[in-house]
Amino acid sequence: DTEVTQTPKHLVMGMTNKKSLKCEQHMGHRAMYWYKQKAKKPPELMFVYSYEKLSINESVPSRFSPECPNSSLLNLHLHALQPEDSALYLCASSQELNWQSLGSPLHFGNGTRLTVT
Amino acid sequence: GIQVEQSPPDLILQEGANSTLRCNFSDSVNNLQWFHQNPWGQLINLFYIPSGTKQNGRLSATTVATERYSLLYISSSQTTDSGVYFCAVCSNTGKLIFGQGTTLQVKP
Repeated sequence: DTEVTQTPKHLVMGMTNKKSLKCEQHMGHRAMYWYKQKAKKPPELMFVYSYEKLSINESVPSRFSPECPNSSLLNLHLHALQPEDSALYLCASSQELNWQSLGSPLHFGNGTRLTVT
Repeated sequence: GIQVEQSPPDLILQEGANSTLRCNFSDSVNNLQWFHQNPWGQLINLFYIPSGTKQNGRLSATTVATERYSLLYISSSQTTDSGVYFCAVCSNTGKLIFGQGTTLQVKP
């Protein structure tokens, strides 16, 4: 079982809906990440939080809004999404950000499969 | 930016066979990781291996950082090994850059 928990597992939403994806880890990791993965493609980085502060935003559209309430939780708020935003959304965590010293292993959650209708 | 190339893109094996997956990268990196994504989408970290060799059961990995490549060995393959294998490297910008993956199918 993964130590990074994501909810919900599946989500179907209309283009006018507002929804949130949730991610939780209890490994004491200080870096948390959101990735987006389309079918048959590698994960694409969206956001990185380090010590609860937004460290990297990969020019993600504002209809995606991340939030890190505390060191164990990471949310992704969704609003006015487009059908092309349908994808697997993966949360991950690591002990530290990857560029500090030699970095640390990345642990992924099982993902939320999002369908925008 | 750093380029990460994996080969082969696709691989079909008979159960029990051995295989080697390769990951080449275009610049020096801080670390390298291998992941397995099963058919249900679960992405598991197999190895964190900036250099040297590590083994975990039937899997082992070797990274030769000076020559900018890493190899993942799968011995006595099982149907549960099927899925996509990604290598990912960390650049000095802090981003983990994934290769395009090797899709492995192990037939019973």
